[in-house]
Amino acid sequence: ETGVTQSPTHLIKTRGQQVTLRCSSQSGHNTVSWYQQALGQGPQFIFQYYREEENGRGNFPPRFSGLQFPNYSSELNVNALELDDSALYLCASSLEFSRGNEQFFGPGTRLTVL
Amino acid sequence: EDQVTQSPEALRLQEGESSSLNCSYTVSGLRGLFWYRQDPGKGPEFLFTLYSAGEEKEKERLKATLTKKESFLHITAPKPEDSATYLCAVQARSYGGSQGNLIFGKGTKLSVKP
Repeated sequence: ETGVTQSPTHLIKTRGQQVTLRCSSQSGHNTVSWYQQALGQGPQFIFQYYREEENGRGNFPPRFSGLQFPNYSSELNVNALELDDSALYLCASSLEFSRGNEQFFGPGTRLTVL
Repeated sequence: EDQVTQSPEALRLQEGESSSLNCSYTVSGLRGLFWYRQDPGKGPEFLFTLYSAGEEKEKERLKATLTKKESFLHITAPKPEDSATYLCAVQARSYGGSQGNLIFGKGTKLSVKP
């Protein structure tokens, strides 16, 4: 069974630029969620995709957007980067109808905005 | 507002010194409570899901319990390799059968000295 993978591992951008982060879900999972984790904090929910449609969104501005593809891989796009966007970005996959709805996380992408 | 509070923020133990981590929560209908372990710079690793008050789950030196207001993660005879940040998260019952996001606490950083 293949776990959740993310790319790239690390990324450095400057303020105002745009970035795309990628996630490959665990085999058999049809739902992907994205979280932002600032240093010393718990992960904060950005949004969730199920069958290629947004299925819930946290308190993040529209410049955070996403896509889910037919193979259940996913992208997180952030436009007009700000310094406060520096964080660990986590992708988690799950089965929607699993009773426990456990979300399994990837290793994350560390984004630094200068 | 759905909320999760973990205590203590940090805990230092000697090897073999048992202790407990606390997770207090308020949620509008609990769908599940989750415990994760996170090593520095890595994604959270799933440990347990608890669904209802009175439920308990065990894995090696860890035991998770749940009441209507809080959960405990008991660590028995910890070893240095148990050092990590332990995250607690809740998932609320959401509308329309959608999966819902995880609401995380800030975590407890556990250090176990030999």
